[in-house]
Amino acid sequence: DAKTTQPPSMDCAEGRAANLPCNHSTISGNEYVYWYRQIHSQGPQYIIHGLKNNETNEMASLIITEDRKSSTLILPHATLRDTAVYYCIVLSNTGKLIFGQGTTLQVKP
Amino acid sequence: GAVVSQHPSRVICKSGTSVKIECRSLDFQATTMFWYRQFPKQSLMLMATSNEGSKATYEQGVEKDKFLINHASLTLSTLTVTSAHPEDSSFYICSARLPSDEQFFGPGTRLTVL
Repeated sequence: DAKTTQPPSMDCAEGRAANLPCNHSTISGNEYVYWYRQIHSQGPQYIIHGLKNNETNEMASLIITEDRKSSTLILPHATLRDTAVYYCIVLSNTGKLIFGQGTTLQVKP
Repeated sequence: GAVVSQHPSRVICKSGTSVKIECRSLDFQATTMFWYRQFPKQSLMLMATSNEGSKATYEQGVEKDKFLINHASLTLSTLTVTSAHPEDSSFYICSARLPSDEQFFGPGTRLTVL
């Protein structure tokens, strides 16, 4: 399973864009990158996923580098409710989501 | 997104008793569900893969006789913690997989074993 590396924590000012990086240098050509977030004491919430093209939905944008070795999740206008642990996961060919330690994003007023 | 529910949301039991946790996909059918465990200040740890109509497959180090998984229908998987002990106290979370490979998670069940 391809491992991911994320910074343990980040701060972001409310209303500004939050850019969360993720390294996945051992990703294979057909493996997707998924992003989830977990607010305290809740189940993880799906955010977005992608293969090689950039993706955007109502929650966020996902930018994947051309070599696919890293990606960035962008929350365009962070709010206090976006404070959570963000997980970047490479979906293995077994279909399992293996969670790393994630990035704790603190949005500050 | 798709909705996954868990019941109960919180349970307290005595040591030595068994506890059953249900995971339901409410608006889709899931041939595969997953069970995770999360200890305080730690990440989610995958325990097992639950396959409808067949035996669950367990991750290394997870005791299959202690954590019984039954996936009897396309919308329901159950996890039974048998002979629970205080060290089994944890946050148990299930997820259900769509045919498109997206997974949606339940809200979790907080188990406290006294």
